[in-house]
Amino acid sequence: GDQVEQSPSALSLHEGTGSALRCNFTTTMRAVQWFRKNSRGSLINLFYLASGTKENGRLKSAFDSKERYSTLHIRDAQLEDSGTYFCAAEGAGYNKLTFGKGTVLLVSP
Amino acid sequence: NTKITQSPRYLILGRANKSLECEQHLGHNAMYWYKQSAEKPPELMFLYNLKQLIRNETVPSRFIPECPDSSKLLLHISAVDPEDSAVYFCASSPGNERLFFGHGTKLSVL
Repeated sequence: GDQVEQSPSALSLHEGTGSALRCNFTTTMRAVQWFRKNSRGSLINLFYLASGTKENGRLKSAFDSKERYSTLHIRDAQLEDSGTYFCAAEGAGYNKLTFGKGTVLLVSP
Repeated sequence: NTKITQSPRYLILGRANKSLECEQHLGHNAMYWYKQSAEKPPELMFLYNLKQLIRNETVPSRFIPECPDSSKLLLHISAVDPEDSAVYFCASSPGNERLFFGHGTKLSVL
């Protein structure tokens, strides 16, 4: 089965609100990355975490290797936050990065 | 992201041969080709680490990677198939770390 389970698959937010995306892992992962695919199709690296939490502006991510999950929190959502968000986790092998299926986020006025 | 450049940006092909090019200006040791179809997650095709190739064995043999030096990556495609229509992303990383993607080449097969 899938090693990375990402949820929700789709999310609608009004401007100014917030929510969280989550990835659960079926095995122990050594690091996680979060990406956003924007309207122009570019894949932007948002975070790389080997442990703990990181914050960048209105985004905050956490990774717990022992509990096998990672989260991406978005607060005060803006229209430009719309896009598809992917988590990707690194397993035991060299750069064996496994992507989640993605979350399609739509932020509306 | 202008530090990983890919060309061409768009490509429309019949059953022809073509090469995609990528160059990274980040000094990274590892370079990758990923394929992303529709709204699926990116799928690793090839990885070069210090010019040593690690391949995904499920990739059809009509895709041939080439790494002429540590900052450049090519993907040669021969006799494309309609199932090859996708966005092909080049990516790089310092090593076993954070991954940076180029803007992608959108391939449409007629």
